[in-house]
Amino acid sequence: GAGVSQSPSNKVTEKGKDVELRCDPISGHTALYWYRQSLGQGLEFLIYFQGNSAPDKSGLPSDRFSAERTGGSVSTLTIQRTQQEDSAVYLCASSLVRDRTDTQYFGPGTRLTVL
Amino acid sequence: QQQVKQSPQSLIVQKGGISIINCAYENTAFDYFPWYQQFPGKGPALLIAIRPDVSEKKEGRFTISFNKSAKQFSLHIMDSQPGDSATYFCAASRNFNKFYFGSGTKLNVKP
Repeated sequence: GAGVSQSPSNKVTEKGKDVELRCDPISGHTALYWYRQSLGQGLEFLIYFQGNSAPDKSGLPSDRFSAERTGGSVSTLTIQRTQQEDSAVYLCASSLVRDRTDTQYFGPGTRLTVL
Repeated sequence: QQQVKQSPQSLIVQKGGISIINCAYENTAFDYFPWYQQFPGKGPALLIAIRPDVSEKKEGRFTISFNKSAKQFSLHIMDSQPGDSATYFCAASRNFNKFYFGSGTKLNVKP
């Protein structure tokens, strides 16, 4: 079946512009995560959505970052007034979280470059 | 404070050898410890995971050893193959909420 998809795969923008990154999780998955991976680094947690619960936004680095999940499915990560330090690969993952045994499935990521 | 510390940063192993990657964690409330494998240009993929109620889990050539008292866990790759060359990440989570990832180990298996 289809995995997690993300779009665009690459995004180049100018400093100060807003960007929107999209994540389509696996159908039926209730949990959705956003991570940021800087070059050669580990994954940094950004935000977590689980069902209808309030999202855990504790990883968002500043108020320029926000995310929504519409209808419990597609999610959009928005970065306003982008800065060069926002350049990274943004990864989305989804899971079913049934009996706390299910796997996080990652998308291929969106590579963001801020000039 | 870094919740999960991973070492080494890079590792070179001969084909057929054993690759060992180590992680240490801070929060004793963590209850799920996965390892992920990532190839260039791809998202991470779950390799194997363990819960703290067991000390070892084996799946094929991959084994997790878990030491609850030391707050450490490690990944062992037996009979390492060139196709195992990738970046490996450990992670930890409580109740599948936030996942804290290690900084990654780049493994190079030489033929």
